Amino acid sequence: SQQGEEDPQALSIQEGENATMNCSYKTSINNLQWYRQNSGRGLVHLILIRSNEREKHSGRLRVTLDTSKKSSSLLITASRAADTASYFCASLISSGSARQLTFGSGTQLTVLP
Amino acid sequence: GEEVAQTPKHLVRGEGQKAKLYCAPIKGHSYVFWYQQVLKNEFKFLISFQNENVFDETGMPKERFSAKCLPNSPCSLEIQATKLEDSAVYFCASSPRTRGGNQPQHFGDGTRLSIL
Repeated sequence: SQQGEEDPQALSIQEGENATMNCSYKTSINNLQWYRQNSGRGLVHLILIRSNEREKHSGRLRVTLDTSKKSSSLLITASRAADTASYFCASLISSGSARQLTFGSGTQLTVLP
Repeated sequence: GEEVAQTPKHLVRGEGQKAKLYCAPIKGHSYVFWYQQVLKNEFKFLISFQNENVFDETGMPKERFSAKCLPNSPCSLEIQATKLEDSAVYFCASSPRTRGGNQPQHFGDGTRLSIL
């Protein structure tokens, strides 16, 4: 079953603006990861945040994690047209030895030039 | 190689036929995962391997789906007696062996399976 929900489902912004996407999950996690998918391509890993971390930065990306609310957010600052893609959060559950990711439903981001 | 390579890119089969998909993980990676993406959003986990051993197959519809990762061969996902609902993009991913699973997964570009 789909663990994660993302909102918004779709987001359209102007180049230069910031984009924020949110993700919620249901069970305890080991880590949470964000991926980008361009049309017709596979997922590209963006950033991983562990369950004992609250915030992480990578270039124009900022990820936060709130384990008490079981939620995460991805902020892309100073967006560019090339950031247009679908963005997925994916969690690694902490029970047992599972290694597979459980994905959110994705946010389609469109950055207008 | 440095990328996960999936073949073919697109596979068309008539309902009831067999479909076989291939994945070459990144050299040196111990884990291989198969996911199914339907309608451009939800990713469903199917099966994972640790080297050539099945690690977790809780997502596999076992009646018609099977998968293998044999030494010195690409991994494969086979669907017998395909149904219309099997139409999806199937992604393979690999990751290094690591304690705790705190490593990203590297995805191939997927195989689009169309069942007519």
